[in-house]
Amino acid sequence: EAQVTQNPRYLITVTGKKLTVTCSQNMNHEYMSWYRQDPGLGLRQIYYSMNVEVTDKGDVPEGYKVSRKEKRNFPLILESPSPNQTSLYFCASSLLDRDNEQFFGPGTRLTVL
Amino acid sequence: QKEVEQNSGPLSVPEGAIASLNCTYSDRGSQSFFWYRQYSGKSPELIMFIYSNGDKEDGRFTAQLNKASQYVSLLIRDSQPSDSATYLCAVKGGTGTASKLTFGTGTRLQVTL
Repeated sequence: EAQVTQNPRYLITVTGKKLTVTCSQNMNHEYMSWYRQDPGLGLRQIYYSMNVEVTDKGDVPEGYKVSRKEKRNFPLILESPSPNQTSLYFCASSLLDRDNEQFFGPGTRLTVL
Repeated sequence: QKEVEQNSGPLSVPEGAIASLNCTYSDRGSQSFFWYRQYSGKSPELIMFIYSNGDKEDGRFTAQLNKASQYVSLLIRDSQPSDSATYLCAVKGGTGTASKLTFGTGTRLQVTL
């Protein structure tokens, strides 16, 4: 089954404790992206990658890191999480063509205390 | 000015009626336009996309695009209670952003019995 998977689905952590949210897709997509979704603010792009070893900042990259060592994986790293990073996070992937939809993972609900 | 604007709603329509969802965008270089549906706490799922001026129909859904007015809409005919969700307008391919998908904040639709 073609899908984007994320782990963990739910995470409660404390300020400053490094964490990684994994994202993996099995559709051989070049493009992968991380979003956060907050009430009233919609989906905002954190980072994206257009291929292996190619990553770039989205609209809200502060406090986040990513890597793209393999085509299928695109982990999101919070080196020192803070309460303002409490949010619902989505990973998505797509082909690079104009009209191709982005497929979304199931989401990770993160709470930073 | 927000890049992609939607009325947050809620838009309330009776069962069987036509729901009309609207979206405007600011970047005239935008090339393709997507409508996603998102149920509460779930990931967005694609309903349809459009890239040419005019109408595009898929079952009960019709997307309408007017690039001169920078306006895209989604019509849902014969609305069902299961259509109650948040509808996200997304725009791709603006100036210098070939694959980036920019989302509006979404319109919440309520279909009443």
